[in-house]
Formats: sequence, C-alpha cells, structure tokens
Amino acid sequence: DTGVSQDPRHKITKRGQNVTFRCDPISEHNRLYWYRQTLGQGPEFLTYFQNEAQLEKSRLLSDRFSAERPKGSFSTLEIQRTEQGDSAMYLCASSISRGHGEQYFGPGTRLTVT
Amino acid sequence: GEDVEQSLFLSVREGDSSVINCTYTDSSSTYLYWYKQEPGAGLQLLTYIFSNMDMKQDQRLTVLLNKKDKHLSLRIADTQTGDSAIYFCAETPGGYQKVTFGTGTKLQVIP
Repeated sequence: DTGVSQDPRHKITKRGQNVTFRCDPISEHNRLYWYRQTLGQGPEFLTYFQNEAQLEKSRLLSDRFSAERPKGSFSTLEIQRTEQGDSAMYLCASSISRGHGEQYFGPGTRLTVT
Repeated sequence: GEDVEQSLFLSVREGDSSVINCTYTDSSSTYLYWYKQEPGAGLQLLTYIFSNMDMKQDQRLTVLLNKKDKHLSLRIADTQTGDSAIYFCAETPGGYQKVTFGTGTKLQVIP
C-alpha cells in the first residue's frame, strides 16, 4: 500500500495559464475527493467521485475548474485561466464507501499563480 | 452557523497533557475525526469517533464527544515535541461524502 499520491508536488504558473494535477488513490478505494487549503485555513471540499461518477461539486468549484476520473482509478483536476486567488494547496483524498468512511490524504499539490 | 470552530493556538510543556477543543455544526454527523498536519505535509488521520459514542481512547489519545453541545475534544497525554503540529477536527454533515474541517489548532510543545 503506497498511500495516496499526487503529482506534481509544486506548480508555479503565470496568471491565465491552464494547469492540471493528478491524484492516484489507494488502489482499493472507490471514492476520491478533492479539497483546497489556503494558508491558515482547514481544507475546503471541492468535489468527490464514487468510481468514475462525479457525485458532488462544491459551489467553490467555478466553471474554470474541472475534475475527471475516467476509469475510476486516478483523477485529474484542471484549472483553466488561472487567477492569483487560485494559489493554494490542492489535496486529494480517497476512501472506501463502507465502514467508517475515513479519508486518507495525499501530500498535496501546492499551486502558486504569479 | 456553517463553521467548525477551534481555538487557533495551544502551547504546552513536554510531558503535560494537551486538550484541543472543537465545536461542530451538524448534529446528524455520523463520524467525527481528528487529523494532524505537520509543516509541508498532508493530513494524517489520528482517530475518529462514531456519533453514538461518548468517549474513545487510543493509546495517548482520548476523544470526548458531547452531542448535546456539539462539542468534541482531543486529549493527548504525555505530550511530546513530535506532537507539535496543526490539529483539525472534522465532521461529516449528512453522511460520509464530504468532510467539513475546522480552521485547525496549532499545538506548540515546549521542551
């Protein structure tokens, strides 16, 4: 069990550029979540998948954000036309849909928009 | 209100007990969690408690739940310098699908 992995760990981009992040969940976990964390705050929920279906999206997820999980395994989060306010840590978590539902988090991707 | 509330900062001496408090929002939350985040790292699940329990003990950690007041606490016995981190309480409003986190309590352990 290698845990949840995220790539890249850090991304610096210029305002207006598109960025894409990848998350690989724990292999037997069918649920996958994306969160955003800004400095001094707790993580905020963005969206989650059960298998390949995107079941919930936060109102924080503007039209510039899109997430996919095409085969029910890894997921990508794309931000189009990045803005400075998008600078944050983007966290991915996974869980199974039975039992206690606890989510296991990856190390995050830190995005800096200049 | 919509916010899970925690005090921002706690400082304790090594060897003492630490108590981190949290007030959550949704009485229907099935599980409540405590996560630990060290600098530059992701969140580590420390422990959880089911909503029909009042207390859970796991080695140095004791979780107390007061459903009437929607109050959750985490006690760390014999606090060590390695316990220095930010601690987040979290609830699962309406089910398992998403977790709502508090703002975090930064624990500083003084040697």
